[in-house]
Amino acid sequence: DIVMTQSPDSLAVSLGERATINCKSGRTILSSSNNKNYLAWYQQKPGQPPKLLIYWASTRESGVPVRFSGSGSGTDFTLTISSLQAEDVAVYFCQQYYTTPQTFGQGTKLEIK
Amino acid sequence: ELQLVESGGVVVQPGGSLRLSCAASGFRFSDYTMYWVRQAPGKGLELVSLLSWDGTATHYADSVKGRFTTSRDNTKNSLHLQMKSLRTEDSALYYCARDSGRNYAYYYFDLWGRGTQVTVSS
Repeated sequence: DIVMTQSPDSLAVSLGERATINCKSGRTILSSSNNKNYLAWYQQKPGQPPKLLIYWASTRESGVPVRFSGSGSGTDFTLTISSLQAEDVAVYFCQQYYTTPQTFGQGTKLEIK
Repeated sequence: ELQLVESGGVVVQPGGSLRLSCAASGFRFSDYTMYWVRQAPGKGLELVSLLSWDGTATHYADSVKGRFTTSRDNTKNSLHLQMKSLRTEDSALYYCARDSGRNYAYYYFDLWGRGTQVTVSS
């Protein structure tokens, strides 16, 4: 199984500031056949199920605000929230789907400073 | 409306059995691989099982292999998880989730239920 490691485990950012969450895979999740990175990001607010934010490492799901963006390739990926809003307080998970079983990072808890 | 609704979670004693169900609506259930994902309190997400659209391909986490069995009824748009020999470490919120791709795609999960709570305790 591919191990996914997120950093940091928790993060406190001021409203309106940038938040950056990192995700590293144990091996490449970039496909040479289609040049796509098999990585997704999810947001989980307290008491709610995970919500898909980004897939193929950088494609925003429909309805996700543009302040959320994903980047990276190969083994190193980043989720960036350009201007933190109060409603962004949540735990964020990355997931690889390059191989089954799909595996998740341990999560990063994002709070307001 | 696209929806997954889990049910069947209860408090059960160690060694006991339980059957979870997930009712799907708003989409062609028979086209999609489905998953069970669990989350212990304050913990991360663990993929418990997957079942392909036609029921021919399965995968189980090592932690549940031999104890849990997933099945589906495409005529009733339902997914099930039969759990036996339950352990305290199986206590978690169990989510049903849909694959974003159709047929034998194994991609990211674009639809989640709200979960059903399983507590294994004496």
